[in-house]
Amino acid sequence: DTAVSQTPKYLVTQMGNDKSIKCEQNLGHDTMYWYKQDSKKFLKIMFSYNNKELIINETVPNRFSPKSPDKAHLNLHINSLELGDSAVYFCASSPVAGGTDTQYFGPGTRLTVL
Amino acid sequence: AQKITQTQPGMFVQEKEAVTLDCTYDTSDPSYGLFWYKQPSSGEMIFLIYQGSYDQQNATEGRYSLNFQKARKSANLVISASQLGDSAMYFCAMRERSNTGNQFYFGTGTSLTVIP
Repeated sequence: DTAVSQTPKYLVTQMGNDKSIKCEQNLGHDTMYWYKQDSKKFLKIMFSYNNKELIINETVPNRFSPKSPDKAHLNLHINSLELGDSAVYFCASSPVAGGTDTQYFGPGTRLTVL
Repeated sequence: AQKITQTQPGMFVQEKEAVTLDCTYDTSDPSYGLFWYKQPSSGEMIFLIYQGSYDQQNATEGRYSLNFQKARKSANLVISASQLGDSAMYFCAMRERSNTGNQFYFGTGTSLTVIP
């Protein structure tokens, strides 16, 4: 069973469109995250969310919004896509506290904006 | 100051040799955790090894070991007996605990190439 899954794996779209990436985890973790990895492989945290609080990286444009229908899902909505949004987006999850609190990643979604 | 620093953008190692990937960190949280992840060319992020700030012994997982030097704030990854499949990007990461939950910080990565 896949621990953290994302769909779609690849997403190609035109500038100005609105798109969503879905993320699901079956690890029972309390916190989920979205990261953006640029072409230089730098990982940037975008959001972290548990059932109590959303923490937003202040550098993330408000065109990006996370939506969590329940504890196991954290979807990423992107409005008015721009060329600079092209990147790989990773979803991840970790427990809140206790043990190692290891963060586990989904397989990534490669977004290409044309 | 950077939370996680990886000073080696690229490293080469001969197959079957050992290699050390450097990582230094900066934190005031007494209860932090250190992680290494591998990202092969296929793109997924694979968790390799964890070291807790209170752990007395260096973590080991198969051919991976973490050389934890707390006073120096370093957490180097040692890969023994390198294999061709070890060629990948390696990221060092740190977890801090705060009243808003866990905060994770990643380094810029080291690209490892194993030479046959």
